[in-house]
Amino acid sequence: AQSVTQPDIHITVSEGASLELRCNYSYGATPYLFWYVQSPGQGLQLLLKYFSGDTLVQGIKGFEAEFKRSQSSFNLRKPSVHWSDAAEYFCAHLTGNTDKLIFGTGTRLQVFP
Amino acid sequence: DTEVTQTPKHLVMGMTNKKSLKCEQHMGHRAMYWYKQKAKKPPELMFVYSYEKLSINESVPSRFSPECPNSSLLNLHLHALQPEDSALYLCASSQPDRDAYGYTFGSGTRLTVV
Repeated sequence: AQSVTQPDIHITVSEGASLELRCNYSYGATPYLFWYVQSPGQGLQLLLKYFSGDTLVQGIKGFEAEFKRSQSSFNLRKPSVHWSDAAEYFCAHLTGNTDKLIFGTGTRLQVFP
Repeated sequence: DTEVTQTPKHLVMGMTNKKSLKCEQHMGHRAMYWYKQKAKKPPELMFVYSYEKLSINESVPSRFSPECPNSSLLNLHLHALQPEDSALYLCASSQPDRDAYGYTFGSGTRLTVV
C-alpha cells in the first residue's frame, strides 16, 4: 500500500542549529508529497508541497525539502532553527487518483535555547 | 479570506447528546474534508466532499453524520458518541485540482465525550 514513513518520532536541536526531518515514501509513480506543521492544540499549516519539476522545493518559514526518487525520500530541512519552530511535523501524500491526503506518524521537534 | 473556520473550538457532550460541528470556508474550494486526530497521533481521514457530494467515507460509524449544505459549509452531526470518540476534529478544504492541491486546515474542535 502507498504510504509515507517518518522514522524519527522525536528530535531535539539547539536554536540556531540546522534541521533535517526525514520522510520516506513507498509508491511506484511520482507521488504528491507535502509537509505540514502543527503547533500544540492547533490545526495544520502547509509548509510546502511537491508534485513534479524541480526536486528542491522552497516553502514558508525558511523551510525547504528535496525529493530524491533514488532514495524514496522527501526530507524537510531548515538551515537555522528558531525556538518558534518547536511543533509536530507531518509528511503526507495523496493516494492514487483519490482526494485522500494520508499522513505519516509525525516527528515532534523540540528546540533548546 | 484564506481561512477555514471551525466552531465551536471546544465541545463537551454526554453520550446521549446530539451536537454538530461546523466548518466554513470562503476560498472557493470545492472539496472539503473531516479528519479525526487523537492525542499524539496523525490526523485520520473520515469524510471527503467533492462538489458538495460525499465522495469518500472511510468506514466511519453512523453516529457521525456529515452534511454539506453548500460549497462553503460542512457540518458533522454527532449522536450517541462514545468516550473513545474524544479527539480533535479537523476540517480542511482544497481545490480538487491536483496541481493546485494544498489543503487548508481549520484549527479544529476539541471534543470531549463524557
